[in-house]
Amino acid sequence: EAGVAQSPRYKIIEKRQSVAFWCNPISGHATLYWYQQILGQGPKLLIQFQNNGVVDDSQLPKDRFSAERLKGVDSTLKIQPAKLEDSAVYLCASSLVAGRRTEAFFGQGTRLTVV
Amino acid sequence: DAKTTQPPSMDCAEGRAANLPCNHSTISGNEYVYWYRQIHSQGPQYIIHGLKNNETNEMASLIITEDRKSSTLILPHATLRDTAVYYCIAHNYGQNFVFGPGTRLSVLP
Repeated sequence: EAGVAQSPRYKIIEKRQSVAFWCNPISGHATLYWYQQILGQGPKLLIQFQNNGVVDDSQLPKDRFSAERLKGVDSTLKIQPAKLEDSAVYLCASSLVAGRRTEAFFGQGTRLTVV
Repeated sequence: DAKTTQPPSMDCAEGRAANLPCNHSTISGNEYVYWYRQIHSQGPQYIIHGLKNNETNEMASLIITEDRKSSTLILPHATLRDTAVYYCIAHNYGQNFVFGPGTRLSVLP
């Protein structure tokens, strides 16, 4: 079974520039998450989708971050404009809601460096 | 905020059992205890989860106390490749996974 695919793997941009990350979840997984992981900390949820609807975006900085999941499959996360404090690893995860088994499968992440 | 507390770091000798504790005294009745680990430069990896009963799979065993206020993840024969950050999460069906800082396990040769 293919895992969660993310691209790019690494990205370096200057502050105030824009950047977009792409995620392809495991086939058939209805739930998709985007997490931000700052160095030395645990991942923090940015947004959770159920199919193409937003379940939780309470921690998404909406003035600069946006995310979409068109057709309930792939997803993109955008930052515009980027700040230095956005330097982090951005993780995408997906889960299959089947009974009580809801473990999330994570991609390798995109490491963003804002200079 | 995470509903679990874990020691920030632990060491374990290679070949010995690694016992990672987790406190979740405010866990609700319908929340499961999930364990993930994160090896350097990788995304978190699911290990095991449970509600009330002890669980075992090919990776680890999970022991949950009867009052459900704490649990222990057991890696029976730790190897160097088990060096990672281990996260204990109280998770409710349909909600997101709330990660704390986890326990950094170092397996020593």
